[in-house]
Amino acid sequence: AQRVTQPEKLLSVFKGAPVELKCNYSYSGSPELFWYVQYSRQRLQLLLRHISRESIKGFTADLNKGETSFHLKKPFAQEEDSAMYYCALSPGSARQLTFGSGTQLTVLP
Amino acid sequence: DTGVSQDPRHKITKRGQNVTFRCDPISEHNRLYWYRQTLGQGPEFLTYFQNEAQLEKSRLLSDRFSAERPKGSFSTLEIQRTEQGDSAMYLCASSLGAAGVETQYFGPGTRLLVL
Repeated sequence: AQRVTQPEKLLSVFKGAPVELKCNYSYSGSPELFWYVQYSRQRLQLLLRHISRESIKGFTADLNKGETSFHLKKPFAQEEDSAMYYCALSPGSARQLTFGSGTQLTVLP
Repeated sequence: DTGVSQDPRHKITKRGQNVTFRCDPISEHNRLYWYRQTLGQGPEFLTYFQNEAQLEKSRLLSDRFSAERPKGSFSTLEIQRTEQGDSAMYLCASSLGAAGVETQYFGPGTRLLVL
């Protein structure tokens, strides 16, 4: 069975500071990893996925298979980054997402 | 708005009553998913459809829960004999299943409160 762990429920940083949201997973195969974000009063939306190796809104995430991690990073946090962030995993052979419990990021002015 | 829509947005019911939620996916999306989210947790997978076929069901989906997608378009999720533990946000997502990685687009959710 797969599992996603986000160890920090709450994370606060100051504007302009680097931010890293941690995500660890357990899965025996080769999963697809995602970061979803939910801004206040908005629906859950995809931020980025590892297979695309893209940077969205300045965020990047690298899949580290050795450490089974997929941490989300941004070098300079902005106040508009304040939101709930969920790491999610999809097994290669199935489509449903397994989510972590989320990290509430607050960027202070 | 051409995104995923869900109805109702909020539902309050008494224990033992039946409730039904509706999800309208993005048009032409052939896959539709239901998730449940309780306070402080991430969404948990319940079931998914490819067109009208229900292909996967989580063990969370007890026999009081039933989901349908009769014409491969909208879907309904019914909970019979609701219990207080059913109180949660019920999320629907849709995607266009094709070769490669798909993106699930989420609806706003239906928040259920069972008294």
